[in-house]
Amino acid sequence: KAGVTQTPRYLIKTRGQQVTLSCSPISGHRSVSWYQQTPGQGLQFLFEYFSETQRNKGNFPGRFSGRQFSNSRSEMNVSTLELGDSALYLCASSTESRSSYNEQFFGPGTRLTVL
Amino acid sequence: KQEVTQIPAALSVPEGENLVLNCSFTDSAIYNLQWFRQDPGKGLTSLLLIQSSQREQTSGRLNASLDKSSGRSTLYIAASQPGDSATYLCAVSSGNTPLVFGKGTRLSVIA
Repeated sequence: KAGVTQTPRYLIKTRGQQVTLSCSPISGHRSVSWYQQTPGQGLQFLFEYFSETQRNKGNFPGRFSGRQFSNSRSEMNVSTLELGDSALYLCASSTESRSSYNEQFFGPGTRLTVL
Repeated sequence: KQEVTQIPAALSVPEGENLVLNCSFTDSAIYNLQWFRQDPGKGLTSLLLIQSSQREQTSGRLNASLDKSSGRSTLYIAASQPGDSATYLCAVSSGNTPLVFGKGTRLSVIA
């Protein structure tokens, strides 16, 4: 079974631009979560989507948004990029089966550098 | 608000040594706890998942224990190898809530 895939793997943008990151979950997983990882803050939760609905949202400004499609693939968008948005963005998918509830499987991440 | 702490932040051991990584959490009302491994610049690899009703889980040379009442979990690595060098993260889930992560323990196993 293929794992979680994220595209692109690396991105370089300049301040003020916007960016869209993509995540394809493991087949059959309907929950997709996004996390931002920085050396100073560690892993911070951005948002979670389940069956095309945002189920949870972290404490990030409105410049960060996301969506989920009917095939469970998800995208996140960051508008008006700031230097502090430079980070590794990780996507995780999970199944809601009783035996492994909320076990998260992570993708390789997208490394975003804002210049 | 759930907080997760991992001690030590970094650990260096000689090859072959058995070692223990610690994770503590402030709210014992968790659904499960998950241990991950992260290699530099890479994503997270799930190592073990312990449900709140379980006391421990084992996978190969890894053994994770959970004491919910005291808010602690340990990850035991037997006979460490240089390939075990990575950052180990623990995260707790309280059901339909996001995972809360610790800052991780950076492990170096010296050949």
